[in-house]
Amino acid sequence: EIVMTQSPATLSVSPGERATLSCRASQSVSSNLVWYQQKPGQAPRLLIYGASTRATGIPARFSGSGSGTEFTLTISSLQSEDFAVYYCQQYNNWPPYTFGQGTKLEIK
Amino acid sequence: EVQLLESGGGLVQPGGSLRLSCAASGFTFTSYAMSWVRQAPGKGLEWVSAISYSGDSTYYADSVKGRFTISRDNSKNTLYLLMISLRAEDTAVYYCANFWSGYLDTYFDSWGQGTLVTVSS
Repeated sequence: EIVMTQSPATLSVSPGERATLSCRASQSVSSNLVWYQQKPGQAPRLLIYGASTRATGIPARFSGSGSGTEFTLTISSLQSEDFAVYYCQQYNNWPPYTFGQGTKLEIK
Repeated sequence: EVQLLESGGGLVQPGGSLRLSCAASGFTFTSYAMSWVRQAPGKGLEWVSAISYSGDSTYYADSVKGRFTISRDNSKNTLYLLMISLRAEDTAVYYCANFWSGYLDTYFDSWGQGTLVTVSS
């Protein structure tokens, strides 16, 4: 089973600043990685697939990078609606489909 | 517009059973693999089970194998999850999700709003 590890667990950033979230896989997942955003009381929303491609309707301030075992989600200029929990998930080796434990992005 | 509407959650005693349903619309359900993902209160996401578009292939997390059964009725555009021998650690919001472009070797594209299962005496 591939273990996904996200860091940091909590990230405090001011609106308008850049946020950088990390995700590491215990073995290579190629580019078969996605990022989801989840707000309280809501279902997860797909942000990035294929490690770097924005899903439909996702603003350009969200970008993903990486391949193999190291991945990054960057939000270039934080808006109030971006404060949420972010999860990475691999779909290279399944089952199981494995998620990171999440990074909570909070307002500084 | 894709819609996934889960139902069937509720309070059940340890050792009890429950069947969840997920009614799908807005896409060709019969062509899409589907999945269940759960989230315990205050915790992260955990994949539970997946099923191919035809229902011929099913997959389970080790934590639920032998206790949960995923199935689908393509004539009703509905996905199911039968859960037996429930434990306190199965308490979670259960989401159904479809796979992007229908294939199992992709990611979860659209998600339902979830249904809460509480296992407690």
